[in-house]
Amino acid sequence: EVQLVESGGGLVQPGGSLRLSCAASGFTFSDYVMHWVRQPPGKGLEWVARITWNGRSTGYVDSLKGRFTISRDNTKTSLYLQMDNLRPDDTAVYFCAKEGGSPGYYYHMDIWGKGTTVTVSS
Amino acid sequence: QSALTQPASVSASPGQSITISCTGTSSDVGDYNYVSWYQHHPGSAPKLIIYDVGERPSGVSSRFSAAKSATTASLTISGLQPEDEATYYCSSYTDSSTLHVLFGGGTKLNVL
Repeated sequence: EVQLVESGGGLVQPGGSLRLSCAASGFTFSDYVMHWVRQPPGKGLEWVARITWNGRSTGYVDSLKGRFTISRDNTKTSLYLQMDNLRPDDTAVYFCAKEGGSPGYYYHMDIWGKGTTVTVSS
Repeated sequence: QSALTQPASVSASPGQSITISCTGTSSDVGDYNYVSWYQHHPGSAPKLIIYDVGERPSGVSSRFSAAKSATTASLTISGLQPEDEATYYCSSYTDSSTLHVLFGGGTKLNVL
């Protein structure tokens, strides 16, 4: 079964850090671009970051640049999001998602995880 | 860059059909055929139901169809069923140098 399972969310104080993980199974992880997408409470989806199959190219939404870092370990079929200097408006459910095709970009995501909740509050 | 524009909610009865609109610009929906739609039930993983404007992934019901005209995409669900009650998001490629895709704000479908 193709599956993505996120973990690592929790409650963190403003200015703190968290590292999210996403464990992939059921497909050749190293073939695909991977993404993080978030959903703030009561709001819609927001694309956060992407990383190419080999990890050599990354992209981020402008508002997050410099605070979040996406990475992957193909040997562990895992995706990561290091989040530093967290702010209350980073509070959201964070989803990992798989690009809809390979190689390259297909601009849709065909497999998603259920998400992990990050709450930034003092 | 602003999100794609969707109605906040739509309501209909079982068996009826509904259409959800998704309005963008010439930088996204208008100039590219990379529009996709996702169904999201609370607490679950979002599910891809349409990609590349009108293509259905394997296993997605033919009751779901979609199209695009100029800068507006649309999702139609026919023969509504109670399990269709969910939030639906559109998404599009954007030629913004810093974004991969742009999402709509989501439309809550109520099946009364």
